[in-house]
Amino acid sequence: GNSVTQMEGPVTLSEEAFLTINCTYTATGYPSLFWYVQYPGEGLQLLLKATKADDKGSNKGFEATYRKETTSFHLEKGSVQVSDSAVYFCALRYNTDKLIFGTGTRLQVFP
Amino acid sequence: DSGVTQTPKHLITATGQRVTLRCSPRSGDLSVYWYQQSLDQGLQFLIQYYNGEERAKGNILERFSAQQFPDLHSELNLSSLELGDSALYFCASSSSGLAEETQYFGPGTRLLVL
Repeated sequence: GNSVTQMEGPVTLSEEAFLTINCTYTATGYPSLFWYVQYPGEGLQLLLKATKADDKGSNKGFEATYRKETTSFHLEKGSVQVSDSAVYFCALRYNTDKLIFGTGTRLQVFP
Repeated sequence: DSGVTQTPKHLITATGQRVTLRCSPRSGDLSVYWYQQSLDQGLQFLIQYYNGEERAKGNILERFSAQQFPDLHSELNLSSLELGDSALYFCASSSSGLAEETQYFGPGTRLLVL
């Protein structure tokens, strides 16, 4: 079946460091891929998405490229800030089926 | 602010009880989704409604049920509550339920079963 695998957290970085959070997926066909972010005490917010192979989603300095050949959608940011501390969820959706989430990766950024 | 509202924000109840969680989707959105977030199960899809009709079902227990009303708001009913039902319950909405659409999440209802 369809599934998403994310790297375990927490990821701990100093401010201005480079961030990568790995996400790989298993799916039949060509799903849409999403990154959601959950700040402490809040609901999930869409960070970025890509709906077909080689698409790059980007928002607030974060980027992820839909790689069909490696079934990956890794999240990157060149220079993280303390305010980026949150839990990041990779997710996929195929046809009109449900959103399937990874387990989430907690990011902690220290000044 | 996503435009999705959920009430109540917090709910504390006892085992065996029944509760109702309410969700109002963003204006114009026809599709509503319910998710459960718990420490041991992560974030799991429960059920989806589209324009009043059930469209998809996930890992929803038989003790749980939901509906979407003509004004498009939705309610999730949880009955015969158990300690393990303690979790954060999210509602999300999207305009027509297509795979590539963004789902906008509400702030969640935190349920604690004692």
